[in-house]
Amino acid sequence: GQQLNQSPQSMFIQEGEDVSMNCTSSSIFNTWLWYKQDPGEGPVLLIALYKAGELTSNGRLTAQFGITRKDSFLNISASIPSDVGIYFCAGPGRGTSYGKLTFGQGTILTVHP
Amino acid sequence: GAVVSQHPSRVICKSGTSVKIECRSLDFQATTMFWYRQFPKQSLMLMATSNEGSKATYEQGVEKDKFLINHASLTLSTLTVTSAHPEDSSFYICSEELAGDNEQFFGPGTRLTVL
Repeated sequence: GQQLNQSPQSMFIQEGEDVSMNCTSSSIFNTWLWYKQDPGEGPVLLIALYKAGELTSNGRLTAQFGITRKDSFLNISASIPSDVGIYFCAGPGRGTSYGKLTFGQGTILTVHP
Repeated sequence: GAVVSQHPSRVICKSGTSVKIECRSLDFQATTMFWYRQFPKQSLMLMATSNEGSKATYEQGVEKDKFLINHASLTLSTLTVTSAHPEDSSFYICSEELAGDNEQFFGPGTRLTVL
């Protein structure tokens, strides 16, 4: 089946630093979604990308849909303590049944004040 | 986005009992909802797709007789873990998709602990 490889697995940064994480796939994805999950909560959608090359921002977050349609990255600028959590990329891929998403392994972000 | 609720948020039960988890769409009618399971420090794994008025579609390796899904209305899907065992202890999360654009909105999750 389709797999998403997300890196890094974890990051430990100081408050105020910028963060970058990425997701790659062996197959083409038609949509890239980035979610954040706080401990004990369900994931929350941060950014959705639909076109190759698309660059979208949501506050301090910026995500891009890779031109090859096999990768995406998420940047967080000027990190703050509440950015702590697990960030997941996800996508349906080509040929995937309606609505079924594949998730990356997640990036655990720790922000030191 | 959509607002999805789950009940209960936490449940502890004895081995062999059955547990029902409810997933409600609070602001949209959802013909399709999804059930995921997440083990500690792991990613979300899709268990099944819940279809209103018809049978759920289960992912490979998920026992349909153990994880019963009912989607009797456009705002409610339920997952029943039958004869639960300690290995079923996990975080169960439901989601719904709006407008067919692949964006899924998740409930807050249910933490199941089987003793």
